Amino acid sequence: AQSVAQPEDQVNVAEGNPLTVKCTYSVSGNPYLFWYVQYPNRGLQFLLKYITGDNLVKGSYGFEAEFNKSQTSFHLKKPSALVSDSALYFCAVRDPRYNTDKLIFGTGTRLQVFP
Amino acid sequence: DVKVTQSSRYLVKRTGEKVFLECVQDMDHENMFWYRQDPGLGLRLIYFSYDVKMKEKGDIPEGYSVSREKKERFSLILESASTNQTSMYLCASSFDETQYFGPGTRLLVL
Repeated sequence: AQSVAQPEDQVNVAEGNPLTVKCTYSVSGNPYLFWYVQYPNRGLQFLLKYITGDNLVKGSYGFEAEFNKSQTSFHLKKPSALVSDSALYFCAVRDPRYNTDKLIFGTGTRLQVFP
Repeated sequence: DVKVTQSSRYLVKRTGEKVFLECVQDMDHENMFWYRQDPGLGLRLIYFSYDVKMKEKGDIPEGYSVSREKKERFSLILESASTNQTSMYLCASSFDETQYFGPGTRLLVL
């Protein structure tokens, strides 16, 4: 079955420290992977995507993600967290069964950055 | 910038009412999507459309229908609202593998 897992419901980190939000996936074929962020009472905003090429993908607001094929992971990272990074983060993978941009989303990880 | 708008931010309806949620995108995207978001469940796809008058069921289509008469507009219809349809509803359009989301409609069914 095609799926995305975000094993942590919440991640807490102090401002200035590095942060990691974990994501693993299970799809057939080559995965198209995405990270989105949701601020309170807002829709989702696109952060970054991996389609092919360099395993380290850089995105908006200083975030990056590393694609690891052997571990089927796509963890989101940032070297130095800001309080304003506090939000809900979703990992997603393109559903390979459809010839369209249909995505399968994880359940989300709430990131809390403390001053 | 891509802009996806939804007709209401907050909506309160009564059980049994017919509810229309409207979504409009301004970038001529072919693909559009309707999701519901519930705590602990993430985003679940209700319906999507890949062209005018074309639609496909998502993972949880029961109790919902959709309409896409024009390329820019994708409507979600709750034929007879029930309390278990209380949720946040998110619309998106997509291009080049990337989905762009509207601000969401928080629906409360009493």
